[in-house]
Amino acid sequence: EIVLTQSPGTLSLSPGERATLSCRASQSVSSSYLAWYQQKPGQAPRLLIYGASSRATGIPDRFSGSGSGTDFTLTISRLEPEDFAVYYCQQYGSSPPAYTFGQGTKLEIK
Amino acid sequence: EVQLVQSGAEVKKPGESLKISCKGSGYSFTSYWIGWVRQMPGKGLEWMGIIYPGDSDTRYSPSFQGQVTISADKSISTAYLQWSSLKASDTAMYYCVRGEYYYGSGSYPEYFQHWGQGTLVTVSS
Repeated sequence: EIVLTQSPGTLSLSPGERATLSCRASQSVSSSYLAWYQQKPGQAPRLLIYGASSRATGIPDRFSGSGSGTDFTLTISRLEPEDFAVYYCQQYGSSPPAYTFGQGTKLEIK
Repeated sequence: EVQLVQSGAEVKKPGESLKISCKGSGYSFTSYWIGWVRQMPGKGLEWMGIIYPGDSDTRYSPSFQGQVTISADKSISTAYLQWSSLKASDTAMYYCVRGEYYYGSGSYPEYFQHWGQGTLVTVSS
């Protein structure tokens, strides 16, 4: 089973700053199989990025994803007040199907 | 517009049974896998299993195999998650999700674009 480890656990930044969130896999993951989600308090998660770097419909271009192999990154270029939330990475493994989430990174206002 | 609408919050006692639902609309319900994701209080996301409503092919996470049953009724575009005997540790928010393919098709979906609003299940004596 592939384990995803996200860092840091909590990231304290100010609006306008750049945020860099990391997701490291215990084994190599196909880039096609890596996604990122945002969850705000009391809400369901929202898909941000799929295929490691493709933005989901309606996601602002300040959000970008990159990486390959075991190291993936979600970058928010200029933080807006509504971006402060918890972020999860997720990978898919086939045969049998398995979906693993990272433990999350909380992005909080400094 | 794709929508997944889940049934309302439930409060149950240990040992009781429960079945929660997720109704899909705005798309061909039989053509997309539906999954379930658990979120325990203050914790992260855990995948429980997926079902293909077209033929009811169902796959479970090893962590949830034998603990829950996932089913679907394609005639009413609804997927279900059920327990035969609840435990206090089943207290959580449960989300249904629609699976998507990066390349447009495949054996199983790779990520989840659409999420239900969640069903809060509380199990307490």
